[in-house]
Amino acid sequence: GESVGLHLPTLSVQEGDNSIINCAYSNSASDYFIWYKQESGKGPQFIIDIRSNMDKRQGQRVTVLLNKTVKHLSLQIAATQPGDSAVYFCAETRDSGGYQKVTFGIGTKLQVIP
Amino acid sequence: GAVVSQHPSWVICKSGTSVKIECRSLDFQATTMFWYRQFPKQSLMLMATSNEGSKATYEQGVEKDKFLINHASLTLSTLTVTSAHPEDSSFYICSASNPQGLNTEAFFGQGTRLTVV
Repeated sequence: GESVGLHLPTLSVQEGDNSIINCAYSNSASDYFIWYKQESGKGPQFIIDIRSNMDKRQGQRVTVLLNKTVKHLSLQIAATQPGDSAVYFCAETRDSGGYQKVTFGIGTKLQVIP
Repeated sequence: GAVVSQHPSWVICKSGTSVKIECRSLDFQATTMFWYRQFPKQSLMLMATSNEGSKATYEQGVEKDKFLINHASLTLSTLTVTSAHPEDSSFYICSASNPQGLNTEAFFGQGTRLTVV
């Protein structure tokens, strides 16, 4: 039967433009945040991470911004390409009995228009 | 980077049968692995935490007798969906963290698509 739940929001971006994907997290005790990219039928792929003692981190074409005051995370993708089309999840982690427990956000589907 | 492998990638089974999914860490030892379930167009939901040599820790609402987890070695965890029903059809994903790594990044398997008919 059909599953009940939130459906992924979609962001459509023209090829070459910059993309900004936002995420709100819930637990102020989370100390490590990760952005994952998931292509259809595949497992999540690590993109970039950031620790709670930082507010910005840059990678190749990607930047993650962390605002702990409002518990908000964003992923910026520069010069978006068709290969960037996927679902993007933010994840928060916190220590739970000696291991890092990962909790995923809802996710955003990025569609790149050629 | 570290590699986590799942097997099988696809499985179709009849209602009432059991299905076993394997999750292996290929180049590191993982004392802890995690099992997630993902329904179409939804996020990954943590089902349970698999601990090597001890019982798994299940999230609220996940039936431990329905989803049997065995973590018999430092490189292998298995998830068995017992007496599967069509509502168990989903994408099951495992992950593992390398405790010797420089950060706590979790590496994910490629997922297993289970279809119960």
